[in-house]
Amino acid sequence: GESVGLHLPTLSVQEGDNSIINCAYSNSASDYFIWYKQESGKGPQFIIDIRSNMDKRQGQRVTVLLNKTVKHLSLQIAATQPGDSAVYFCAENIGNQGGKLIFGQGTELSVKP
Amino acid sequence: GAGVSQTPSNKVTEKGKYVELRCDPISGHTALYWYRQSLGQGPEFLIYFQGTGAADDSGLPNDRFFAVRPEGSVSTLKIQRTERGDSAVYLCASSRGGTGSYEQYFGPGTRLTVT
Repeated sequence: GESVGLHLPTLSVQEGDNSIINCAYSNSASDYFIWYKQESGKGPQFIIDIRSNMDKRQGQRVTVLLNKTVKHLSLQIAATQPGDSAVYFCAENIGNQGGKLIFGQGTELSVKP
Repeated sequence: GAGVSQTPSNKVTEKGKYVELRCDPISGHTALYWYRQSLGQGPEFLIYFQGTGAADDSGLPNDRFFAVRPEGSVSTLKIQRTERGDSAVYLCASSRGGTGSYEQYFGPGTRLTVT
């Protein structure tokens, strides 16, 4: 079926450390993936995306890795800062089903100063 | 430029009442999406517009929910005979649209509380 899930519901890291947030997806037809950050009381904020023809994409302090063999997606945040504290969602788009995104439950990242 | 805006930010209504939630997408974005988010959960897809037409309304939970986008810009989500289970944050997103998948940009949401 269609599902996107996260391995860890909460993650606590020390400021300055690197963070890795994982996500599993089940639909092999998914061809586009997005990571969002959501702070309390706000809408999800776009972080980075990746298409299924890529296995890695880098942004500013963030890297997304896609392993289609095991249907796994990860978000790496370098030098994590207190402002990175939020809930992070991965979402997938199934190629033949239009633009809708299917979201996972989310991982709460807590950064300790 | 301005992002996606949603009004009202909060709406409290009594069970059985009718509500309308408004979304103003980013200028020039042809695709518009509505999602619903319950506490502690990820957003759940409701409906997607490409231009004025609903391209996919498979996420609408029942016929009490309806959405329109008459001029291909602003959209209104309408909920009839509200129930307590409708309480959630309703999120709107927009994207450039067209073929392929483009990043969706979300508004701040409308928090609906049905008492």
